[in-house]
Amino acid sequence: NAGVTQTPKFQVLKTGQSMTLQCAQDMNHEYMSWYRQDPGMGLRLIHYSVGAGITDQGEVPNGYNVSRSTTEDFPLRLLSAAPSQTSVYFCASTSPQGRETQYFGPGTRLLVL
Amino acid sequence: SQQGEEDPQALSIQEGENATMNCSYKTSINNLQWYRQNSGRGLVHLILIRSNEREKHSGRLRVTLDTSKKSSSLLITASRAADTASYFCATDPNSGYSTLTFGKGTMLLVSP
Repeated sequence: NAGVTQTPKFQVLKTGQSMTLQCAQDMNHEYMSWYRQDPGMGLRLIHYSVGAGITDQGEVPNGYNVSRSTTEDFPLRLLSAAPSQTSVYFCASTSPQGRETQYFGPGTRLLVL
Repeated sequence: SQQGEEDPQALSIQEGENATMNCSYKTSINNLQWYRQNSGRGLVHLILIRSNEREKHSGRLRVTLDTSKKSSSLLITASRAADTASYFCATDPNSGYSTLTFGKGTMLLVSP
């Protein structure tokens, strides 16, 4: 099993550009989530999904969009990138319902100029 | 907002010494988890302790949970240079559709 995979590993964007961060898991987990990690701030939840077709907002959802069309994939879209979105983004999956061990991807480092 | 808060923010010890990190939280929980993050990497799950458990061991790791004080501690015994990493506690609040809430972490440096 590959576990949780994320692409790309690094990305540089200009302000106003849009992009999609990809996340996939092969463990058949119902629950997937996106976090951002900023220095001194720990991990903050952006969006999460408890199954295909079901998504919900976390602590810091503004400026991000998600969808869950399959169990395996949970892409995160930046609609119009801003310098404040410069961060490291982690995708995680678990089962059941987010209460047990979370498996993290390797992260995507995003720089918005 | 962070549910768990780790203490200390940073800890520097010598190989062979024990390292203790603490986590305090605010609301009742189903479980509390500890994760490790090596520099530039994703988080790795270390141990999960449920609200009805008081102590749990895994190898050189010992976790305690005191629900009356809303606090937990992670003890790493006989530390090694490879234990150098950031350690995070995460809580699963006992309400509704739960999601894990992470603290800001303790940065541990183990010197040879």
